[in-house]
Amino acid sequence: DAGVIQSPRHEVTEMGQEVTLRCKPISGHNSLFWYRQTMMRGLELLIYFNNNVPIDDSGMPEDRFSAKMPNASFSTLKIQPSEPRDSAVYFCASSRASGTIPGELFFGEGSRLTVL
Amino acid sequence: QQQVKQSPQSLIVQKGGISIINCAYENTAFDYFPWYQQFPGKGPALLIAIRPDVSEKKEGRFTISFNKSAKQFSLHIMDSQPGDSATYFCAARESGGGADGLTFGKGTHLIIQP
Repeated sequence: DAGVIQSPRHEVTEMGQEVTLRCKPISGHNSLFWYRQTMMRGLELLIYFNNNVPIDDSGMPEDRFSAKMPNASFSTLKIQPSEPRDSAVYFCASSRASGTIPGELFFGEGSRLTVL
Repeated sequence: QQQVKQSPQSLIVQKGGISIINCAYENTAFDYFPWYQQFPGKGPALLIAIRPDVSEKKEGRFTISFNKSAKQFSLHIMDSQPGDSATYFCAARESGGGADGLTFGKGTHLIIQP
């Protein structure tokens, strides 16, 4: 089975540009999560969706960040305008909320963002 | 506020030795404590998990020890191998949250020397 698929794997952009990160969760999973990983702050939960509905976006740093999940197989995380401090690895993860192992998240391989 | 505190930040262990990583938490509503393993260039993957109604769980060379009264839990890797070199994250999930979102520790970078 295909895992969580993220694109792009690497993105280098200039400050002020719009960045869109994409995620395809595992088929049948009904929860989707966006995490950000940095050396200083570790893994931070930005937002999660349940059945395509945003449940908690309290981790989104500021209004420059937005996330959507238009259907069960696709989600985007957008940063507009981007800033150098947004440089990080962004992970998408999915889970089956009624699964036998609670809390098991399946992560994609991440999108490494560098904002110059 | 960091809800799950993990230590050490980095750890070097000789091949065959025991690797020990510790985590502490404050939120008594946490009811599920997994450990994730991350290799360079990859996303974290579930390694082993425990619920607070047991004090220990063992899977192969990996053991979680859980101390509910002290609000601490640890990962022990017995007979550590170079292939165990990775970053390890402890995590916790709050009960009744209606979702599987996890709060992660900051990670431990483990190096097993041959």
